[in-house]
Parts: sequence; C-alpha cells; structure tokens
Amino acid sequence: GAVVSQHPSRVICKSGTSVKIECRSLDFQATTMFWYRQFPKKSLMLMATSNEGSKATYEQGVEKDKFLINHASLTLSTLTVTSAHPEDSSFYICSARDTAKGWAAKNIQYFGAGTRLSVL
Amino acid sequence: DAKTTQPTSMDCAEGRAANLPCNHSTISGNEYVYWYRQIHSQGPQYIIHGLKNNETNEMASLIITEDRKSSTLILPHATLRDTAVYYCIVRALSGNTPLVFGKGTRLSVIA
Repeated sequence: GAVVSQHPSRVICKSGTSVKIECRSLDFQATTMFWYRQFPKKSLMLMATSNEGSKATYEQGVEKDKFLINHASLTLSTLTVTSAHPEDSSFYICSARDTAKGWAAKNIQYFGAGTRLSVL
Repeated sequence: DAKTTQPTSMDCAEGRAANLPCNHSTISGNEYVYWYRQIHSQGPQYIIHGLKNNETNEMASLIITEDRKSSTLILPHATLRDTAVYYCIVRALSGNTPLVFGKGTRLSVIA
C-alpha cells in the first residue's frame, strides 16, 4: 500500500513553545490530508482536513489559530501546535488518500505512524 | 457515514481464527465496509474492504451478510502481533470525506 511518513515520532517540549509535525505522502499525490488526535484509551478524533493550496477545514471545537495547518505541496502537510500547553499532550496522526488515482484508489486512507507530543 | 456497532473487546487463542463482528444495519446501497486496525502507539492500518461479495487478501477475509446489515472480519490464524483495536467503518467509495472512527474492538491474542 501507499506510504505516509510522519515526523517526528516523538517530541517533548516546554509549555509555551510551538511544535511542527510533518506529514508526507511518499509515493503518491494527496491534494487532501487529514489530521487526527488521539488521547489515551480513546479513539481517533478528526481535527482538520488539510487542502493543498487552500485553507484547512477544522472540526468543531478545534482552534484554527492554535493548530496551524499548511499544505504547500501535493505531498506535504504540516501541523503546528502553537503555544503548546500540557493539555495539548496527545498522539497526533496524519492520513492521506491517493487523489490522483480517483476511483482506483478505492477511497483507502493511509496513515502515518503518529507523533506523540508531550508538553511539560 | 452509517453507524457501526462492534463488541468492545474479544480474546483469541494464538493460532486460532479470530472472528470480529460488526453491525451496520443502516448501511446505504453505495457504502462499502472498511476494516482498519491500530496496534498500540501506531497509526491505523488498512486491512480490507468490500461491498457485498466476500473478500480475501493476504491479511484477512471479509464476510458480508446478504442483506449487508452486518459483516465479519476473519483473521485465519491469529498471532500475537494481531493484538490491536479493530475498526469497522462504512463509507462510500467515492468522495473525499475522512474516515470517522468509532470505538472499535480490542482484540487480544493470547499465547
């Protein structure tokens, strides 16, 4: 299957700092990528949809000024957690679908390995 | 996307078949059944999907009832590495909406 690379896999930062997470589709183009967040023992919650060349669409309750998303190319989306606080500590996961294949992609979403953010 | 119902947890002996059920009684005619799994501290992994015919790949088999209101994911010979949370999701083949995850089934494969 297609490969989605996410970096870093783990980050520890001080409260008030900003953290950038990168998500790359390695062998396919993705005009749309998705960002999820997962708290311990909970399911994945969609945070936002990242659109190449345009603004991201955020889910209700997700602060767009806190979670900045940039999708500057067909293979890269970034999520920046600004002024991180301990309550932002979570497992962040990105996902992408091969949009160039259309129907042939079978609407399968591929996921990165996730980034575990710990804010002290 | 239609709602799905899965058992919270299941155990399976190593080497035996793991049968994971999913109810999706409100599935629409154009919606497929997708299965993903998430091993601890990793991103979800695609397993298989189907519309109405049974499907099989190198990872699993998917059995969908004739009325499409339920399905079963079968791992034919479960190993310890199959311990994970398994998610059953129904969605259309087309469109660009993201996957919406329920609570899934936590499968524990026991030696």
